Amino acid sequence: KQEVTQIPAALSVPEGENLVLNCSFTDSAIYNLQWFRQDPGKGLTSLLLIQSSQREQTSGRLNASLDKSSGRSTLYIAASQPGDSATYLCAPSPYSGYSTLTFGKGTMLLVSP
Amino acid sequence: ETGVTQTPRHLVMGMTNKKSLKCEQHLGHNAMYWYKQSAKKPLELMFVYSLEERVENNSVPSRFSPECPNSSHLFLHLHTLQPEDSALYLCASSQGGAASEQFFGPGTRLTVL
Repeated sequence: KQEVTQIPAALSVPEGENLVLNCSFTDSAIYNLQWFRQDPGKGLTSLLLIQSSQREQTSGRLNASLDKSSGRSTLYIAASQPGDSATYLCAPSPYSGYSTLTFGKGTMLLVSP
Repeated sequence: ETGVTQTPRHLVMGMTNKKSLKCEQHLGHNAMYWYKQSAKKPLELMFVYSLEERVENNSVPSRFSPECPNSSHLFLHLHTLQPEDSALYLCASSQGGAASEQFFGPGTRLTVL
């Protein structure tokens, strides 16, 4: 059974800092991995989807990397802004069956002005 | 309306009530999902439907009954719930199986008294 761990559980940084969120998963037989953000009490917004054959995926100030063999992914946020404050979730998807995502508990990020 | 919508956004019900949650996707996708998000726990997949057929059911209690009348609509019928069922219920959709990106609705915040 896939298990996903996200470190740190919470992070507080001043505006402008670059930061890295970590995600590790126990079963490396994944098809892809998605990063989401969730604002308090709201649904999830997809940030990046990185395929198992890719090493990196970029969108604006966000860069996700994937090392499938070691069961790790990182989300790099450049020049953080207060609007980045949210919980960030990673979710790998298995090879077989439908896109059934397994989620970690997330990293709660607070960026202060 | 665009994306994935859910109604109601908030619901309070007694343990003897019967209610339904509704999800609608406007993305032309062929797979829909129900997730449960409880406090301090990772999101848990409840049900997956593909082309209106249930393809996965993660050992969810029978007091939760899903219905997918067509590829755009998904319901979750609730009856005889327990207070521990209070959670944020999220709907998602995707096009196809593995490697498909999931898009989430805003969720229904359910409180069972």
